[in-house]
Amino acid sequence: SQTIHQWPATLVQPVGSPLSLECTVEGTSNPNLYWYRQAAGRGLQLLFYSVGIGQISSEVPQNLSASRPQDRQFILSSKKLLLSDSGFYLCAWNPDRLYGYTFGSGTRLTVV
Amino acid sequence: RKEVEQDPGPFNVPEGATVAFNCTYSNSASQSFFWYRQDCRKEPKLLMSVYSSGNEDGRFTAQLNRASQYISLLIRDSKLSDSATYLCVVGDTLSGTYKYIFGTGTRLKVLA
Repeated sequence: SQTIHQWPATLVQPVGSPLSLECTVEGTSNPNLYWYRQAAGRGLQLLFYSVGIGQISSEVPQNLSASRPQDRQFILSSKKLLLSDSGFYLCAWNPDRLYGYTFGSGTRLTVV
Repeated sequence: RKEVEQDPGPFNVPEGATVAFNCTYSNSASQSFFWYRQDCRKEPKLLMSVYSSGNEDGRFTAQLNRASQYISLLIRDSKLSDSATYLCVVGDTLSGTYKYIFGTGTRLKVLA
């Protein structure tokens, strides 16, 4: 069966520190992968998506970057965190456009 | 106009009540439609896809009105466990890429 893993579950980081969040998918190959952020009391905002290794599309200009070093691995990074980077970060994959997304369990990031 | 709009609620209903949510979308060419459920501090999970002919899953009924560009979710015989935020999701091809656009959610509280 296909599963999606995301870690860590929670993270508290100081302003200016780096960030690395990892997401992996099992049980499938060449998945479309997505990073979303949900700020407190707000909707999900698409940050990045990837249709293959090394292929990254950015949806909004910001302090974050993404990479896809392996087929089933998607990484969200920042060199220097801002307070505004706080939020709930969700990785998702899309097995078929008719069936919507499956989300990872998310990382709750608090920048202090 | 937002691409996907929902009434944020909260909808406070007693156990056993019937409650309905609507969601409007702006792109008449949208291709797929879903309802997701998100519990507090958890990832969204697919509740049901929405088909043109309408579909039912137990106590939940989803309908699509393409002419008026809205989808609806009806919950019958509400349970305490139905308390959550319900997200409307629309699939569109944007800039040549298939993407899902999320509403900000409607919060439901079922009261004992």
